[in-house]
Amino acid sequence: EDQVTQSPEALRLQEGESSSLNCSYTVSGLRGLFWYRQDPGKGPEFLFTLYSAGEEKEKERLKATLTKKESFLHITAPKPEDSATYLCAVQGGSGGSNYKLTFGKGTLLTVNP
Amino acid sequence: SQTIHQWPATLVQPVGSPLSLECTVEGTSNPNLYWYRQAAGRGLQLLFYSVGIGQISSEVPQNLSASRPQDRQFILSSKKLLLSDSGFYLCAWSRSQYQPQHFGDGTRLSIL
Repeated sequence: EDQVTQSPEALRLQEGESSSLNCSYTVSGLRGLFWYRQDPGKGPEFLFTLYSAGEEKEKERLKATLTKKESFLHITAPKPEDSATYLCAVQGGSGGSNYKLTFGKGTLLTVNP
Repeated sequence: SQTIHQWPATLVQPVGSPLSLECTVEGTSNPNLYWYRQAAGRGLQLLFYSVGIGQISSEVPQNLSASRPQDRQFILSSKKLLLSDSGFYLCAWSRSQYQPQHFGDGTRLSIL
């Protein structure tokens, strides 16, 4: 069974203080690892897809990286508007449902001005 | 561009009442459609998915059902709601099986 563990559960940063969020996963035949941002009371907003170890994607202050066992979401010089819950999900390609995303519980990021 | 709409945004229903949540997608054709539930302190859980009109696959046994009467319309239903059906229900779409899934803004369902 696919599993995703995100750490830390919550992270509080000062504006401009860079940090990283971790996503550890086990999956049978990785077809994609997805990062989402979720604001309170809203649906998840897609950020990145990573398909193979060594791949990196960037968007503004965010950079996602992938190894065979984990992914990191690096946040450089965050701003208060980056405050949200960040979700990691994996999709496997062998055994079970190949349509399902398995999500972690998320990391609640708070950036103080 | 593609957009996804869910309604209602919030719903309060008594135990034993029926349920109908609707989701529509605009700006694309023949999308894959999904229903997820997000419970407090837990990750999103896939309930149903559909790859075409009338084609529904269930991921978990439960009190709910889904239907896809039109290409870009996905409906989540129940004949009799249980207290355990409370949660945040999210509809999503994707272009194909391994493309990113894009979510609507969800329906907060409370059962009294």
